[in-house]
Amino acid sequence: GESVGLHLPTLSVQEGDNSIINCAYSNSASDYFIWYKQESGKGPQFIIDIRSNMDKRQGQRVTVLLNKTVKHLSLQIAATQPGDSAVYFCAENIGAGGTSYGKLTFGQGTILTVHP
Amino acid sequence: GVTQSPTHLIKTRGQQVTLRCSSQSGHNTVSWYQQALGQGPQFIFQYYREEENGRGNFPPRFSGLQFPNDSSELNVNALELDDSALYLCASSRDSNSPLHFGNGTRLTVT
Repeated sequence: GESVGLHLPTLSVQEGDNSIINCAYSNSASDYFIWYKQESGKGPQFIIDIRSNMDKRQGQRVTVLLNKTVKHLSLQIAATQPGDSAVYFCAENIGAGGTSYGKLTFGQGTILTVHP
Repeated sequence: GVTQSPTHLIKTRGQQVTLRCSSQSGHNTVSWYQQALGQGPQFIFQYYREEENGRGNFPPRFSGLQFPNDSSELNVNALELDDSALYLCASSRDSNSPLHFGNGTRLTVT
């Protein structure tokens, strides 16, 4: 089956730097993508999502970029803080026709470590 | 938010287990995921208005129920050692809204 994957399993940055977490997806029919942050002992926390009719979406300190040509998704975190340290997952919608965003395929995750 | 109980559970191989979830008020879609250690969550199934609405690659011994009062259950029969994982419940306002997860139930099968 098709799946979502991440290029880098770990990323270490200094506090205040910008972080970029990358994700490759293989299902060209996917039309919805979402990023989650998961801290130790907790469930995934919603960060930001994007639909396939968009290339870029911004939130508070975060930006998601979608490149459908090369099937690539990235999460940019501005002015990274120690509290951003966590595992970050990208996920894609596997629901038929994008009508159900509850059926997600997750990547393996990237561990982000922010050093003070 | 989404709350799950219990937070931790230890069962013996062959036993049955019921995990519970309370969705955010007004959310009519509930999804369950299994997360093995060091991996991303895997979709088990989804319920919409008390009906199963999609299933991942999990055997029939994984079953669920959704109730009108924003609560739901995941049942697993004939537990196997490989069922040891974090079980996550997530709900959304509707089928076109993002999922919001609970903190999960950590199931250990010995």
